[in-house]
Amino acid sequence: NAGVTQTPKFRVLKTGQSMTLLCAQDMNHEYMYWYRQDPGMGLRLIHYSVGEGTTAKGEVPDGYNVSRLKKQNFLLGLESAAPSQTSVYFCASSYAGQGGANVLTFGAGSRLTVL
Amino acid sequence: AQSVSQHNHHVILSEAASLELGCNYSYGGTVNLFWYVQYPGQHLQLLLKYFSGDPLVKGIKGFEAEFIKSKFSFNLRKPSVQWSDTAEYFCAVNPYSSNTGKLIFGQGTTLQVKP
Repeated sequence: NAGVTQTPKFRVLKTGQSMTLLCAQDMNHEYMYWYRQDPGMGLRLIHYSVGEGTTAKGEVPDGYNVSRLKKQNFLLGLESAAPSQTSVYFCASSYAGQGGANVLTFGAGSRLTVL
Repeated sequence: AQSVSQHNHHVILSEAASLELGCNYSYGGTVNLFWYVQYPGQHLQLLLKYFSGDPLVKGIKGFEAEFIKSKFSFNLRKPSVQWSDTAEYFCAVNPYSSNTGKLIFGQGTTLQVKP
């Protein structure tokens, strides 16, 4: 049981390049999330999904797009990378708990550097 | 805006010292509360959670937290820390009404335990 798997684990981009981070979960979870982690700022929600084919904006969605074409996958795209997007990105998933009472399972993270 | 505040950004303790990490949130309704831990180089793992019932909750590795509704607080405690507790600790809140499971994280507290 792999849990939540993120690829790639590391990536270096030049300003203006595009890339996609892939998150895959094998727990049949309904909900999936993308967070970014920056020093002194904790984790901030970028986008999330409450089911296949649905996505919604989080706290810091600008510069990112997402897609959830299959229940087990949640893709995070950067169309034109900027140095401000240098960060560690975490994907998470959870069951649809009543009233938000659900525990998130996190992936190992993807470290992205934009030069 | 809803927010989570962790008062201690960097804590240094000697082994066997007692630990208390503060967490306050700004949300007036019913909330679900979490503490996550991130060991060096690893992903976030759940330490403990509070959904309802006894406001004193116990988690893994001897950690506990107390929910004080009147103070909007959910402080994390451990009577005697070990070197292996060196990690970053995150408090997180999910407003019951959101029903999406998304978490609002605090800034994180880095705990360094000296052997």
